Amino acid sequence: DAGVTQSPTHLIKTRGQQVTLRCSPKSGHDTVSWYQQALGQGPQFIFQYYEEEERQRGNFPDRFSGHQFPNYSSELNVNALLLGDSALYLCASQRSGGGIGNQPQHFGDGTRLSIL
Amino acid sequence: AQSVTQLDSQVPVFEEAPVELRCNYSSSVSVYLFWYVQYPNQGLQLLLKYLSGSTLVKGINGFEAEFNKSQTSFHLRKPSVHISDTAEYFCAVTPSRGSSNTGKLIFGQGTTLQVKP
Repeated sequence: DAGVTQSPTHLIKTRGQQVTLRCSPKSGHDTVSWYQQALGQGPQFIFQYYEEEERQRGNFPDRFSGHQFPNYSSELNVNALLLGDSALYLCASQRSGGGIGNQPQHFGDGTRLSIL
Repeated sequence: AQSVTQLDSQVPVFEEAPVELRCNYSSSVSVYLFWYVQYPNQGLQLLLKYLSGSTLVKGINGFEAEFNKSQTSFHLRKPSVHISDTAEYFCAVTPSRGSSNTGKLIFGQGTTLQVKP
């Protein structure tokens, strides 16, 4: 049973470019959350997708957008990249129903994004 | 709003010694609490969680944590550490009720556990 898979593993971009990161949730999971983890910091919540809609959003600018597909996979898009966007981007999936207490989040290994 | 403070950024300890990683949180609503571990170049793995009931919870790899509501703490402990426990440890909370119970995790800054031979 595959866990949460993310692609690509590493990515190098330059300032001003746009990037798309991809996530396939664990089998049976229908909810996907994205987190940004800067070097030496804890992960910060970007947003969560459920039923192909953004359900909750953290304190991130509109340059960060996402999408969820009917098969529950998800994309994170970042426009007009800044040096400060360099980070590890983590995707987490969970099964809906029963709340996070009973359906904990499972994390992928992340995409390391470097902005030059 | 919720916040999490991990009181130690680095904890060096010798192999087979006990360890405690400290976590305090702030929240105006009830929360669930979690500890995650992150090995180099990997994602986060759930160690244990507190939802309700007994304040002492046991997790994987011999770790346990105690929830103290009056002190708003959730410290992680292990009686005897191994070299393989060297990793980054994150404490996290999420609201436990109502419309906020969507699974948004609020993490601390992390504690690096360095186990020395």
